[in-house]
Amino acid sequence: GAVVSQHPSWVICKSGTSVKIECRSLDFQATTMFWYRQFPKQSLMLMATSNEGSKATYEQGVEKDKFLINHASLTLSTLTVTSAHPEDSSFYICSAPPGTASFSSYNSPLHFGNGTRLTVT
Amino acid sequence: DAKTTQPTSMDCAEGRAANLPCNHSTISGNEYVYWYRQIHSQGPQYIIHGLKNNETNEMASLIITEDRKSSTLILPHATLRDTAVYYCIVRVTGANSKLTFGKGITLSVRP
Repeated sequence: GAVVSQHPSWVICKSGTSVKIECRSLDFQATTMFWYRQFPKQSLMLMATSNEGSKATYEQGVEKDKFLINHASLTLSTLTVTSAHPEDSSFYICSAPPGTASFSSYNSPLHFGNGTRLTVT
Repeated sequence: DAKTTQPTSMDCAEGRAANLPCNHSTISGNEYVYWYRQIHSQGPQYIIHGLKNNETNEMASLIITEDRKSSTLILPHATLRDTAVYYCIVRVTGANSKLTFGKGITLSVRP
C-alpha cells in the first residue's frame, strides 16, 4: 500500500534556530501533501496544503513566513519551522493522497507519516 | 470546523465487539465518511470509508444509516492493541481533498 515517510521522527533544537522536516511518498507520486500539527491531548489541526510546483496554501492563522513549505518534487515536501520558539513544540504530521487525480484514486484515503516530535528548548 | 460529533470515550472488553458511533447530520451528498485511528505518538492510520452502503474490510465494518446522518464503526473482536483515539471524518469527494479532524473518541480495551 501507499507509504508516507517522515524524517526525522523527533528533533530537539534551541530557541531561535530553524528545523526542516521532510515528508516523502515512497511508492507513489503526490502532487498534494498536507501538513498537520498536534499539541498534547488535542486533535490534529491542518496547517497547510503543499502543492508540487506552486505555492502552498495556508490555513487561517498559520504564519506562512514562519512555516516554510517547499514541494519541489512529486515525492518530497518539506516543512521548515523558522526561528523556532518553545510554543512551536508540537507533533508535526504530513499526509498525502496516493496516485494522481484519476478515477480509481478519486476517493482513495489519505496516508499519513508517523510524525515528527519537535521540542524547542 | 469538524462536521461530526462523537462521544468522548468508551471502553470494551477484549474479544468483544466495539461499536463506535458517529453523528454527521449535516453531511452532503458528495461527502464520504472516513474512519481513522491514532495510537499514541503515531500518525493516524486509515481504517475504512464509505458513502452510503455498508462496508467491511479486514480491520472493521462501517454501518451507515439510510439517511446518512450517522454511522457506526464496528471492530468485531477488539484487542488491547485497538486502544486508540478513533476519528470519524466526513470528506468531500476528490483525490486531493483534505481531512478535517474533530476530537475523536478514545477507545480503551480492557483485558
